[in-house]
Amino acid sequence: DTEVTQTPKHLVMGMTNKKSLKCEQHMGHRAMYWYKQKAKKPPELMFVYSYEKLSINESVPSRFSPECPNSSLLNLHLHALQPEDSALYLCASSLGVPGEKLFFGSGTQLSVL
Amino acid sequence: KQEVTQIPAALSVPEGENLVLNCSFTDSAIYNLQWFRQDPGKGLTSLLLIQSSQREQTSGRLNASLDKSSGRSTLYIAASQPGDSATYLCAVSPHWSGAGSYQLTFGKGTKLSVIP
Repeated sequence: DTEVTQTPKHLVMGMTNKKSLKCEQHMGHRAMYWYKQKAKKPPELMFVYSYEKLSINESVPSRFSPECPNSSLLNLHLHALQPEDSALYLCASSLGVPGEKLFFGSGTQLSVL
Repeated sequence: KQEVTQIPAALSVPEGENLVLNCSFTDSAIYNLQWFRQDPGKGLTSLLLIQSSQREQTSGRLNASLDKSSGRSTLYIAASQPGDSATYLCAVSPHWSGAGSYQLTFGKGTKLSVIP
């Protein structure tokens, strides 16, 4: 299994809602990532978990809250988002050591109304 | 601060042509370089990864080269097909710096259209 699975594929939420994005991999990878991608732009790194510990938080607003319950799962909890947070949210994983090949999920297309 | 540039931003070619996509980076202190493919509204697929000590990598019709000293990489696609139509991004991983080495710097991509 060489897949990174993200759910849901599409999400529409109001600014007062709370929702969660989920990501799962069964490749034994120990590094997992959240990226945000706006249309026609490259992905921007948000968070990195390495061996279930938060290694990188790229000064992301607190309305985004990551969680890594175990080595196979990564969640992104969303609360009180703004319309400018509408984007494609991508999860990725790699073996564990920095600089390894990244495997991406197909993403969650988020719209904030 | 590392900057990655991809030229051209868009490219349209007839089916069957060989083509080259370019990527340049400003800081040669890299760990490796990856080429990705992205279809509209989808995630990225890693095509090739070249370590800083390597000169090239090949996979099927794809060949990527790396000249670290000049800060350049090329992705060569042979005998292009309509199914190759996608956006191609390159990304560099910085030289080992602990957790900072997880931070890839991406180019803005080249949108490739292969016309049947």
